[in-house]
Order: sequence, then structure tokens, then C-alpha cells
Amino acid sequence: GAGVSQSPSNKVTEKGKDVELRCDPISGHTALYWYRQSLGQGLEFLIYFQGNSAPDKSGLPSDRFSAERTGGSVSTLTIQRTQQEDSAVYLCASSPDSLGTDTQYFGPGTRLTVL
Amino acid sequence: EDKVVQSPLSLVVHEGDTVTLNCSYEVTNFRSLLWYKQEKKAPTFLFMLTSSGIEKKSGRLSSILDKKELSSILNITATQTGDSAIYLCAVMEYGNKLVFGAGTILRVKS
Repeated sequence: GAGVSQSPSNKVTEKGKDVELRCDPISGHTALYWYRQSLGQGLEFLIYFQGNSAPDKSGLPSDRFSAERTGGSVSTLTIQRTQQEDSAVYLCASSPDSLGTDTQYFGPGTRLTVL
Repeated sequence: EDKVVQSPLSLVVHEGDTVTLNCSYEVTNFRSLLWYKQEKKAPTFLFMLTSSGIEKKSGRLSSILDKKELSSILNITATQTGDSAIYLCAVMEYGNKLVFGAGTILRVKS
């Protein structure tokens, strides 16, 4: 069946511009997660959605980052006034429930390059 | 601060060798430990471990959790070039946050 999809797969932008990254989770998955992986570093948790609400936003690195989820499905991660240090691969994952009993299934990621 | 530490950072072996990858953790609210294989961009799930001492096995891969030692190992026997990847260990905390280690880069030479 269809897995988690993300778009765009690659995004190159200029410093100071805003970007929107999209995640389509597996149909029926309640929980949705955003991570980023910077060059040479491990995966870093950003935010997690349970349905449309975000109980844990602790990982968002600054107030330039925001995310929303509508209809319990699609999520967008928005980065305002991008900086070069925002360059990374942004990964989205979803899981069937929000109880932490199921593994998270990852999308292919969006590679963001800020020039 | 919660952390997950993996060792070695990188490893080069020959086809047919057996490898053991290590993961240790210090987290406040441990729920489960997961292993992922990352070849390109998206990590793919290997194992989820919640109980200590019970080995999980899938083909040539196996993993076990030791909650007393706050650690886990991932074993790969009879390695193949297709096993070359980054192997990620992550700990899931209550609240569903995953804390990842930096990964072990495995390269299997033919």
C-alpha cells in the first residue's frame, strides 16, 4: 500500500525566504512526526501531532519554525526567513496510533538547501 | 539531557563477516528501543524492543535489549554488500518522542 509521501523531494531557496514542506501520512495513521537530519548528524525530533493537535512542540529550533495538520491527515512544516543552518533533510513519519506502541514509518524526506 | 550513543561510528567489513553494533541510552522515560536501517534518505524499520533479554530475529539480523545495562546490540551475520547502510538506534519516550543516536556507518566490501 501507499507509504508516507513528502513534497517537494528537493528544495533550494535563498536565505530569508519562507518555505513550506508537505507530508502525507499513511491513511488512517493518527500520529505524525517531523524530524530533521543535518549533514553528519543524527535525526533530530521537531514536532509530533496527535490528530490535529501538537502535544509536543519542544523540538522546534526557533519561532521561525511552525507546523500544522489539517483533517487528521496532511501536515505542513513552514520555515520563515530561512537561514543557511536550516539546510537539512526534513523527514516525516507516521504511526497507526499515538500510544507509542507502534513503530513510526518514514517518508523519503525533503532535502532543503538554503543558499 | 536525554541521549543515545552508538558505537562504533563506522565499520568496514568483508562479505561473510559477522558484525555487532552497539547502542546505549540515557533517557528519562524509556518506552521502547528501535533500530532502523538508512540507505538513502528514509530510515526503514528493523526492530522494536520493549522487554529485556528477549531476542528479536529477522533473517540474518537479530537484536536484544538489556534494560539493566541501558543498552542494545544489533547483530548481522554473514554480511552482504546490501547490508551497507547507516544503522540508527532510537529510544521512544513516553509522549512518543524518538531520540536518535548518530548512527553507525557500515560498509561491507565484496
